[in-house]
Amino acid sequence: GENVEQHPSTLSVQEGDSAVIKCTYSDSASNYFPWYKQELGKRPQLIIDIRSNVGEKKDQRIAVTLNKTAKHFSLHITETQPEDSAVYFCAAPRKGGSYIPTFGRGTSLIVHP
Amino acid sequence: GAGVSQSPRYKVAKRGQDVALRCDPISGHVSLFWYQQALGQGPEFLTYFQNEAQLDKSGLPSDRFFAERPEGSVSTLKIQRTQQEDSAVYLCASSLGVTGIVSQPQHFGDGTRLSIL
Repeated sequence: GENVEQHPSTLSVQEGDSAVIKCTYSDSASNYFPWYKQELGKRPQLIIDIRSNVGEKKDQRIAVTLNKTAKHFSLHITETQPEDSAVYFCAAPRKGGSYIPTFGRGTSLIVHP
Repeated sequence: GAGVSQSPRYKVAKRGQDVALRCDPISGHVSLFWYQQALGQGPEFLTYFQNEAQLDKSGLPSDRFFAERPEGSVSTLKIQRTQQEDSAVYLCASSLGVTGIVSQPQHFGDGTRLSIL
């Protein structure tokens, strides 16, 4: 999307390593940032989200951090497992106030056993 | 409860034909979104409904694309005079959200994979 940039486009790690995916956004008024996991041929599934009133949120092996000043947020996956292999998308609200999300271009995560 | 359901899962059409894609959102979800997802890309917004009202259709690529949600539940995305560049996965998502309220997680369907020959 035009106001969400996601990096890297591909990420290859060994099982047990950590993986970090970063997204930047342009609208300082944005206040909701979800992350989706999409396995091949399947629907995107929400795995974690964060609102702008907190800086970090954790759920077992996954966490999301938000830096409002720098306008970026990151997905952290620890102790990666082969089943974490998928495409991950971040999203942020489009400019203009109402919540129409703009998605990043995706990160293909490959976890090697 | 049941998730978002889309049909058909796969649709093959010849260039120039009209197609209709259906979305059954989660019961009680006010907001409904349609997205187009090209291979290797993220979902691109097409249109948004709040109940039966189409509040934003800025993402529709051309006037060949039309969406409706007449009773505020099931939605149909119609593409007239299909062209090869319409080939993509069309995703539907619903959420509890109401107008202007952000922070509502979206629940996606499995999508319809449309191939135009």
